[in-house]
Amino acid sequence: KQEVTQIPAALSVPEGENLVLNCSFTDSAIYNLQWFRQDPGKGLTSLLLIQSSQREQTSGRLNASLDKSSGRSTLYIAASQPGDSATYLCAVGTGGGNKLTFGTGTQLKVEL
Amino acid sequence: EAGVVQSPRYKIIEKKQPVAFWCNPISGHNTLYWYLQNLGQGPELLIRYENEEAVDDSQLPKDRFSAERLKGVDSTLKIQPAELGDSAVYLCASSLAGNTDTQYFGPGTRLTVL
Repeated sequence: KQEVTQIPAALSVPEGENLVLNCSFTDSAIYNLQWFRQDPGKGLTSLLLIQSSQREQTSGRLNASLDKSSGRSTLYIAASQPGDSATYLCAVGTGGGNKLTFGTGTQLKVEL
Repeated sequence: EAGVVQSPRYKIIEKKQPVAFWCNPISGHNTLYWYLQNLGQGPELLIRYENEEAVDDSQLPKDRFSAERLKGVDSTLKIQPAELGDSAVYLCASSLAGNTDTQYFGPGTRLTVL
């Protein structure tokens, strides 16, 4: 059974700092990996999708990497802003289809 | 373009009562998902539809939960009877197709069972 772990569970940083969120998974036979953002009381917004054959994806200040063999992914956020405050969820796509297994998330707070 | 629409946004019921949630996916998305999200946890898949066919309902507690997607568009998730442990957020998501596409999530329905 696929298990996804995210570290740290919570993180508080000053504005402008670069930061890294970590995600690890137990079964390397994945189809893709996605990073989502969730704001309080709202649904999830997809930030980056990495196919199993890819090593990284970039969007603006966000960069996600994937090391399938070691079962790890990182989300790098450059020059953090208060508007980045949210919970970030990692989800691994497995099972021969689009079954997503989510981690428990990292709650990020960027302070002025 | 409108996103995934869910209603109601909030629902409070007494235990043993029935409850239903409605989802309207993004136009043209043939894959629809229902997820359960407990507080402080990531979403867990309950059921996935490809058009009107339920292709993965292995995590749906079939003794009390049921779902339908008539005509392959809107979907309804029902709980009867509700239990205290069913209090959670129920999320609906949709995608164009298959395992390579991003899933787009609705805002969810927050259910409280008293």
